[in-house]
Amino acid sequence: GNSVTQMEGPVTLSEEAFLTINCTYTATGYPSLFWYVQYPGEGLQLLLKATKADDKGSNKGFEATYRKETTSFHLEKGSVQVSDSAVYFCALSLGGGTGRRALTFGSGTRLQVQP
Amino acid sequence: ETGVTQSPTHLIKTRGQQVTLRCSSQSGHNTVSWYQQALGQGPQFIFQYYREEENGRGNFPPRFSGLQFPNYSSELNVNALELDDSALYLCASSLGTGDYEKLFFGSGTQLSVL
Repeated sequence: GNSVTQMEGPVTLSEEAFLTINCTYTATGYPSLFWYVQYPGEGLQLLLKATKADDKGSNKGFEATYRKETTSFHLEKGSVQVSDSAVYFCALSLGGGTGRRALTFGSGTRLQVQP
Repeated sequence: ETGVTQSPTHLIKTRGQQVTLRCSSQSGHNTVSWYQQALGQGPQFIFQYYREEENGRGNFPPRFSGLQFPNYSSELNVNALELDDSALYLCASSLGTGDYEKLFFGSGTQLSVL
């Protein structure tokens, strides 16, 4: 079946540190890949996406590259801020017919950024 | 801020009871998906409704059922509640079934089953 594996958290960093959150996936077919962010008390928000191999998704200083050969989609940011503190979810979707557009999420990684 | 609203925000039920959760989708959106997020886990897909018809279902038993109304709002019904049903239930709306860039999630309903 389809699955997403993320590094466990929490990840605790100082402000301006470099961030990497690892994500690997297993899928039948060629999925689209996503990173979602969940701030405290808020709904999930799409952070970035990539729809085919070697695509790079980017938004708000975050980047992730779709690596088909390693089935990975690691999230990176060069300099984190306190406001980036949230839970980050890697997800995939296969698209296509009925039900296949459902998102399959990883278990989430909590990021805590200290001033 | 998204236009997806869910009610109630919190709910406490006892095992064996039935519960109805409600979702008001963003204006103009015709597709609603429901997800269950257990504590410390990622959301799991329950089902999706497109134009009032079920359009896909995850690995959840039939006691999880849903409805979508002509105004595209939606309900999630769970019968014969079990302790493991305790979770955050998320609703997400979109225009069309594969538009992830405009998939908006509500803040969820926290269900506790005692």
